[in-house]
Amino acid sequence: KQEVTQIPAALSVPEGENLVLNCSFTDSAIYNLQWFRQDPGKGLTSLLLIQSSQREQTSGRLNASLDKSSGRSTLYIAASQPGDSATYLCAVRPFNQAGTALIFGKGTTLSVSS
Amino acid sequence: GAVVSQHPSRVICKSGTSVKIECRSLDFQATTMFWYRQFPKQSLMLMATSNEGSKATYEQGVEKDKFLINHASLTLSTLTVTSAHPEDSSFYICSATNAIQGGGSFEKLFFGSGTQLSVL
Repeated sequence: KQEVTQIPAALSVPEGENLVLNCSFTDSAIYNLQWFRQDPGKGLTSLLLIQSSQREQTSGRLNASLDKSSGRSTLYIAASQPGDSATYLCAVRPFNQAGTALIFGKGTTLSVSS
Repeated sequence: GAVVSQHPSRVICKSGTSVKIECRSLDFQATTMFWYRQFPKQSLMLMATSNEGSKATYEQGVEKDKFLINHASLTLSTLTVTSAHPEDSSFYICSATNAIQGGGSFEKLFFGSGTQLSVL
């Protein structure tokens, strides 16, 4: 059974720091991996999606990498800002089949102080 | 704008009552909808998968008679928590997809904004 783990569970940094969030999954046979942002009591905002054949994706100050063989992904946030404070969720899609649900990690709660 | 509308965003009810949560896809046909539940500091856990016009498939440990899911149209799915109890208090979120047969290359997946249920 696929399990997704995120480390650390919480992280506090001063504004301007670069930081890395980690995600690991137990079964390397995934179709894709996605990083989401969740604000308290809110839904999910998709940040980056990496297909299993890709190594990384970039969007603005965000960069996500994927090492499928080792079951790991990292989300790199450059020059963090207070507005980046949120919970970041990593989710994998197990296989390429229409209508497949995502499997989520517990998330990393990030707090960026000004 | 949001492509999946979920409401209510927050509901407080008495123990023993039933609560209905709606999830609507606004600009695409949602062939499949997923319902997740999230307890504080926990991950989103899939409760059930529903395909339009057919019965929902529930994950192990989820009571189908307690969590009634209806997906009668391509734009609307509802989750009804029947005879709610305090332990049902949680954050419920839906996800909709326009999945087509043959694989997920063209599949889009969108999430609602969630419903915080508090049962007193």
